[in-house]
Amino acid sequence: DGGITQSPKYLFRKEGQNVTLSCEQNLNHDAMYWYRQDPGQGLRLIYYSQIVNDFQKGDIAEGYSVSREKKESFPLTVTSAQKNPTAFYLCASSGRGSDGELFFGEGSRLTVL
Amino acid sequence: AQSVTQPDIHITVSEGASLELRCNYSYGATPYLFWYVQSPGQGLQLLLKYFSGDTLVQGIKGFEAEFKRSQSSFNLRKPSVHWSDAAEYFCAVGGPGGGNKLTFGTGTQLKVEL
Repeated sequence: DGGITQSPKYLFRKEGQNVTLSCEQNLNHDAMYWYRQDPGQGLRLIYYSQIVNDFQKGDIAEGYSVSREKKESFPLTVTSAQKNPTAFYLCASSGRGSDGELFFGEGSRLTVL
Repeated sequence: AQSVTQPDIHITVSEGASLELRCNYSYGATPYLFWYVQSPGQGLQLLLKYFSGDTLVQGIKGFEAEFKRSQSSFNLRKPSVHWSDAAEYFCAVGGPGGGNKLTFGTGTQLKVEL
């Protein structure tokens, strides 16, 4: 079945460590997105990529980095520069002609100890 | 800039009662509007979407929403709520000028009393 796979589902890290969240899609979608979700704040856009080897900052990109070397993959690195990294992270994708409809993965919960 | 307001943080309804979740948006052109639902610890699932045409849109699980341009609203409704509808609901806005970027509201948490 086509879909978006995020891993790991739960992740713990110590302060000062970088961590990379994986996002893979087999929907043949061109665009991919990373959102951060905090209680009471909805979803906020971190980074997005509309084609391979290109990506743009979203509203809260500071302390995060991404790469888009393959169409299927859009990993997110949470760096030690991110001051409050504990959150639920959602990856999404959209295809041409989808008029903005996003398809979401099941999320990764990062906890910084 | 585009934005979405969901004024109700929490709503509690009895099973079998009707439901309306409010959504107001700000967008500079004709918006694309969406409602998503999220169960705890899960991703988001699309309930319905509006691009153009008929302003009353039908979605999955018996939900519908009505686009009212004059009120900048896109409220979600369901005639009879089931206990399994308890979840968090997000309204989102985007459009052809936004490059497929959606802006989400802060969500409404729905509790269903048996």
